[in-house]
Amino acid sequence: AQSVTQPDIHITVSEGASLELRCNYSYGATPYLFWYVQSPGQGLQLLLKYFSGDTLVQGIKGFEAEFKRSQSSFNLRKPSVHWSDAAEYFCAVGALYNFNKFYFGSGTKLNV
Amino acid sequence: EAQVTQNPRYLITVTGKKLTVTCSQNMNHEYMSWYRQDPGLGLRQIYYSMNVEVTDKGDVPEGYKVSRKEKRNFPLILESPSPNQTSLYFCASSLVSYNEQFFGPGTRLTVL
Repeated sequence: AQSVTQPDIHITVSEGASLELRCNYSYGATPYLFWYVQSPGQGLQLLLKYFSGDTLVQGIKGFEAEFKRSQSSFNLRKPSVHWSDAAEYFCAVGALYNFNKFYFGSGTKLNV
Repeated sequence: EAQVTQNPRYLITVTGKKLTVTCSQNMNHEYMSWYRQDPGLGLRQIYYSMNVEVTDKGDVPEGYKVSRKEKRNFPLILESPSPNQTSLYFCASSLVSYNEQFFGPGTRLTVL
């Protein structure tokens, strides 16, 4: 079965500092990749997605992510973090042979 | 306002007492899905539906049932809840499966 790994459970950064959240997936081919953000007590909101093409993807709220096939990674980045970015971030993957199934990582909680 | 609604938001029940969590979307989305969120495990997909009368199992379907009789509604049914189904449940919908999913606010279920 496919899996998604977010190695960092908690990350703390200072406001204005840069951020990188890691995501690795267990696929041989290129899956559909997503990053979602969950603010406290809220549902999830899509930050960005990657299907194909340019491996650097821009999202909302100043976030970007880079797909690296050789490393099976899809890391999320932001050059300057704001206090309002404090939330939990989830990487998700669409199943390779079934576009209806999704696998989420365990999440990374960001403190600012 | 485009949204996914879930009811109830909070529910405490006892083992074996059948319950239904409703989910409704007003965006005319074809795809709907149920997830459960548990600490350290992220979101796991329970069931999904590609359209009316078309449903299929996600990763953790045991103990749950769903139905999709109308496009806008996708209720989650627990016919005999057990304590291991205590969790935070999210309903989501999207235009098509591999597109952005819009999440409801969540239903926190406690089974005693």
